[in-house]
Amino acid sequence: ETGVTQTPRHLVMGMTNKKSLKCEQHLGHNAMYWYKQSAKKPLELMFVYSLEERVENNSVPSRFSPECPNSSHLFLHLHTLQPEDSALYLCASSQERSNQADSGANVLTFGAGSRLTVL
Amino acid sequence: AQSVTQLGSHVSVSEGALVLLRCNYSSSVPPYLFWYVQYPNQGLQLLLKYTSAATLVKGINGFEAEFKKSETSFHLTKPSAHMSDAAEYFCAVSGGTDKLIFGTGTRLQVFP
Repeated sequence: ETGVTQTPRHLVMGMTNKKSLKCEQHLGHNAMYWYKQSAKKPLELMFVYSLEERVENNSVPSRFSPECPNSSHLFLHLHTLQPEDSALYLCASSQERSNQADSGANVLTFGAGSRLTVL
Repeated sequence: AQSVTQLGSHVSVSEGALVLLRCNYSSSVPPYLFWYVQYPNQGLQLLLKYTSAATLVKGINGFEAEFKKSETSFHLTKPSAHMSDAAEYFCAVSGGTDKLIFGTGTRLQVFP
């Protein structure tokens, strides 16, 4: 399998549930990202992992907990979510070069997303 | 810091007509600019990117974009729309080591 794979594609959960989203990349990339996509809003960067180390956390509520056990896998653990957390959650990966001066030019490869509905 | 504005959340064209999707950016450093496309029920995929080489950038599926520094614009064009071009298009900007900042997207509809 190639590219970035996200599971599940659809998830419905109650506010008291605990669930996890999974992302796997088969591209040999060394950076992975979680984005939140809500209707009529720009994509919101949530977390960035580079070489399995979290390098960015954009003021995301603690009810979202990321985990990156290795460079190929990324999880987003969910607990006590709110209805406003309903959105499409996109995982992406990129190859971070050793020269970080122009890392902004890195191209992201996205998964198809996990559509989350919180009741 | 960077920001990007996409003018028009919806654009409708007839099949065979010119496609023009507008993007203006703001950046305190030389920008990297990207267009991504999202087809229904799929993630985003890269159409093209500008990284300070040629100002006219050609991408996949016949799309191209021109970097105009004086206008701080990076509009996406395609001479002749096809039904399969119907999707949502996102402009994005980054710079230096900064992460990508996305616009709100433009949904393109193509009518027969």
